[in-house]
Parts: sequence; structure tokens; C-alpha cells
Amino acid sequence: QKEVEQNSGPLSVPEGAIASLNCTYSDRGSQSFFWYRQYSGKSPELIMSIYSNGDKEDGRFTAQLNKASQYVSLLIRDSQPSDSATYLCAVNADSNYQLIWGAGTKLIIKP
Amino acid sequence: SQTIHQWPATLVQPVGSPLSLECTVEGTSNPNLYWYRQAAGRGLQLLFYSVGIGQISSEVPQNLSASRPQDRQFILSSKKLLLSDSGFYLCAWMTGTQQQYFGPGTRLTVT
Repeated sequence: QKEVEQNSGPLSVPEGAIASLNCTYSDRGSQSFFWYRQYSGKSPELIMSIYSNGDKEDGRFTAQLNKASQYVSLLIRDSQPSDSATYLCAVNADSNYQLIWGAGTKLIIKP
Repeated sequence: SQTIHQWPATLVQPVGSPLSLECTVEGTSNPNLYWYRQAAGRGLQLLFYSVGIGQISSEVPQNLSASRPQDRQFILSSKKLLLSDSGFYLCAWMTGTQQQYFGPGTRLTVT
């Protein structure tokens, strides 16, 4: 059973600090990795995609991928109250038609 | 640009009643399409996916069914709803690089 694991949280971070979200996956063959943000009552929104080892930066967001250790992380710099949401990690499955989803980490940014 | 529509936004239905949820995608052709369900406070559960007209793969045995009568239309149905069918129903499409984009969702309450 292929799995994606995330700490459910809540993770509480002071405003302006760096929020660090982690995700581990079980399938060594996975090639595509995604972070989604989901506000309460809304649908998930794609915020980062990463396909190769290392770091990928987009504004205040940095995704980090380590295939050898099978983990992917998301760093949010200068955290804002508007970043408070549930963050979902997703990884491609063998078939390439599906993504395997983590259960999400709830992030709370304290003003 | 691509847009994905879902309707209705909210639905309250009695146990035993039928269900029909519709999803349409604009701005792309022959997309892979997905139906997910999200129970309150939980992760995403893949229900069905489709790689083309008339091609439906079911991931979870249940009293739901899906159909894809047109290239950019995906329909989720049930003949008789159960209380356990309550949840947030999300339609998504997948790009060539495996990114999934979601519609606004339908919140279904079965009473």
C-alpha cells in the first residue's frame, strides 16, 4: 500500500517566522511531488510542484525534495495570518494517472 | 486558460434520494478527470477517474457511479443516497505534468 504521511498538527507558528511542513512517502518510484493549500470550506489549491532533488523557490515558498530519504518539505518564509490553512502533500502513483494524498497538516499563524 | 466548474455548490438530500453532480472543464481537451470525496476534517478519497469518454475507473466500492458522456464532462451519480455519502465532493483535472486542479466543490449533506 503506497502511502504519504504528514503530521496532522496543528502546527502553530508566530507571524513573520518560518513555517516548516514535512511529508514522507513510501514509493521509491515516485517522480512528481506537490503541495496544496486548502482553506476551510474551500477546494485545494496547488502552490508548489517539484520534480527533481533539491530546492525550488517561488516567492515566500520553498519546496525541498530528497528522494534518497523519501521526504519532501515546504518552507513558508515571513509567515502571514493568511497562510493559516491545511497543507496537503501529494505524490504521483505508479500509474501516473493518480496522485497519492497525505491527510494534511493544519497550520496556524499567530499574529 | 483552463477552468473547471462544478454544481451545485451545496446540496441537502434525504436518505434514499438520487444524486447527480456535474463537472465540466474548459480550455483543454481530453483531460484526465477525477472525483474525490473529503469527509469533515479528513483527507481526499479518490472515488473515480477517467482518461477518456466512456472510460471510468472505480477506486472504492460504494453506491456511487460515474459517467463521462462528453470529453470535458464528468458526472457523479447515486440511485439511493446513504448518510455516509455526506461530504465535500471535488472534481479535478490533471495536466501533462501530473498537476491536478480542482473545481470549487459540492458540499453534500444527507439527512
